[in-house]
Amino acid sequence: DVKVTQSSRYLVKRTGEKVFLECVQDMDHENMFWYRQDPGLGLRLIYFSYDVKMKEKGDIPEGYSVSREKKERFSLILESASTNQTSMYLCASSAGTDTGELFFGEGSRLTVL
Amino acid sequence: GQNIDQPTEMTATEGAIVQINCTYQTSGFNGLFWYQQHAGEAPTFLSYNVLDGLEEKGRFSSFLSRSKGYSYLLLKELQMKDSASYLCAVLDSNYQLIWGAGTKLIIKP
Repeated sequence: DVKVTQSSRYLVKRTGEKVFLECVQDMDHENMFWYRQDPGLGLRLIYFSYDVKMKEKGDIPEGYSVSREKKERFSLILESASTNQTSMYLCASSAGTDTGELFFGEGSRLTVL
Repeated sequence: GQNIDQPTEMTATEGAIVQINCTYQTSGFNGLFWYQQHAGEAPTFLSYNVLDGLEEKGRFSSFLSRSKGYSYLLLKELQMKDSASYLCAVLDSNYQLIWGAGTKLIIKP
């Protein structure tokens, strides 16, 4: 069964803390994505990666960074968490650059106090 | 700018049929996707349309009219488990997915 696994389902952090969200996929997919999902808004793309050590900014990269050292792993980093980064974070992967069929992880709900 | 519109919420009765509409204005078009997302869970892929017409997959069908920038998702023989949010997304000319805000479907017995 294909799978995208996110390291934490729920996290509570304090303002200013560094936060790591990890995502691993077992489908040998080239492409990986980080989205955030907030009520009333569509999924918003933070960063994506089409290959190892490659990253591209999405629509809302400010306050975030990413790391892709291995093909199967894509990490999202909040260097200094702020309350407006309280959200659901979704990791996804896809087999090719020309497909919109994404496989999502279960999501990580982050609360920043 | 790029925009995808879909109703915020819809209510339907178990056993009935419901149609969820999606209109889009995007920079180019490389396909339209529907995803289902149950509360607290990840979105899962439902359907893909790139040519005009109807694609049927069991109780679910998806329609596309590229000239009108319009799609709908048709759910037949509704079951309680169909209560979920349904997300419409378009793959634009840069092969980036543009997402609608989602339609929350409530099924009543």
